[in-house]
Amino acid sequence: AQRVTQPEKLLSVFKGAPVELKCNYSYSGSPELFWYVQYSRQRLQLLLRHISRESIKGFTADLNKGETSFHLKKPFAQEEDSAMYYCALIPGTYKYIFGTGTRLKVLA
Amino acid sequence: DGGITQSPKYLFRKEGQNVTLSCEQNLNHDAMYWYRQDPGQGLRLIYYSQIVNDFQKGDIAEGYSVSREKKESFPLTVTSAQKNPTAFYLCASKVPRAPGELFFGEGSRLTVL
Repeated sequence: AQRVTQPEKLLSVFKGAPVELKCNYSYSGSPELFWYVQYSRQRLQLLLRHISRESIKGFTADLNKGETSFHLKKPFAQEEDSAMYYCALIPGTYKYIFGTGTRLKVLA
Repeated sequence: DGGITQSPKYLFRKEGQNVTLSCEQNLNHDAMYWYRQDPGQGLRLIYYSQIVNDFQKGDIAEGYSVSREKKESFPLTVTSAQKNPTAFYLCASKVPRAPGELFFGEGSRLTVL
């Protein structure tokens, strides 16, 4: 079965602390994985894609095929990082599968 | 400015009534999507359309219907057959030549009284 699992509904960290948002996937093929973010009162938008191996707003995510994970990390959290984060898997060209999301709260 | 416009933003309906949510895009994107967003359940795919006059059921299509008569428009009808229609509905389009990128609208919140 094709599935994306985000085990934490809510993650609270203090400003300046490291952040790791967990994402595990289930897919038999070669996965395409992404992180989307939804800030308060804004549209859901793409944050980063695994194939780019990029760092966006200080966030990085590494695909670990052995552990079937794609965790999102940031070394030092900022208050403006508070948002809802969704991990997404694309098993085919057009179908997107989203996880249940993790709400990140960065405390001052 | 290019984008996706969803209307209405808020909608109330009585049980047993059908309601249609509008989604219009001026991005010239071919593929469009409808997702339902519920707390704790994330985004679940209702329908998607790759091109005009073509659409496919997603994971939770029961009780919903769509049409794609024009490239710019992908309306979603929530029928009385949908058992639990109160939710936040998101429309999106696929950004061409940008792997994995969907452009989302601001959403429509439907409340059934």
